[in-house]
Amino acid sequence: GAVVSQHPSRVICKSGTSVKIECRSLDFQATTMFWYRQFPKQSLMLMATSNEGSKATYEQGVEKDKFLINHASLTLSTLTVTSAHPEDSSFYICSGARNGETQYFGPGTRLLVL
Amino acid sequence: RKEVEQDPGPFNVPEGATVAFNCTYSNSASQSFFWYRQDCRKEPKLLMSVYSSGNEDGRFTAQLNRASQYISLLIRDSKLSDSATYLCVAFSNSGYALNFGKGTSLLVTP
Repeated sequence: GAVVSQHPSRVICKSGTSVKIECRSLDFQATTMFWYRQFPKQSLMLMATSNEGSKATYEQGVEKDKFLINHASLTLSTLTVTSAHPEDSSFYICSGARNGETQYFGPGTRLLVL
Repeated sequence: RKEVEQDPGPFNVPEGATVAFNCTYSNSASQSFFWYRQDCRKEPKLLMSVYSSGNEDGRFTAQLNRASQYISLLIRDSKLSDSATYLCVAFSNSGYALNFGKGTSLLVTP
């Protein structure tokens, strides 16, 4: 199956700082990448969808200026949480899909903002 | 109302038991459906797709009822390793977005 990696796997940062999370498709080209967020005991919530070379499409209620997404290549997308606050602490998961096929998930990044 | 609804459980069953999970979806335009499995503090992994004709993969059987907008997952001969959260997912082709249910927690005990 297709493999997606995320880095870092966990990060702790101070309130007000920015954190960048990388998502890479290792053995396939992901024309579309998705970023999800999961709070404890909640379902995964889609934050944004990005197609390579295009601006990301954000879901309602997700601030695009706070969660910056870059999908510069077919194998890499980044999510930057700017000016992170404690309420941004969550499990961030990316997934990659090739031409509308099945999404393959990365292992997730646990963010804790102090 | 959430697009995909599941009973959160937990379902506690003994090894060898048969257990069934149900899920309903509200968007009649949903095209495809899946069951994902998520272990504690891990990413979800695709368990199986759900087809209109129903499909079976070993001990797992998935069914779709479009008229009732209802999906089910049946696990036979439960193993301890089946303990996980099972996520029901609806896929709308219009946006490639996966709509996840909150998940149903299963604990298989010796």
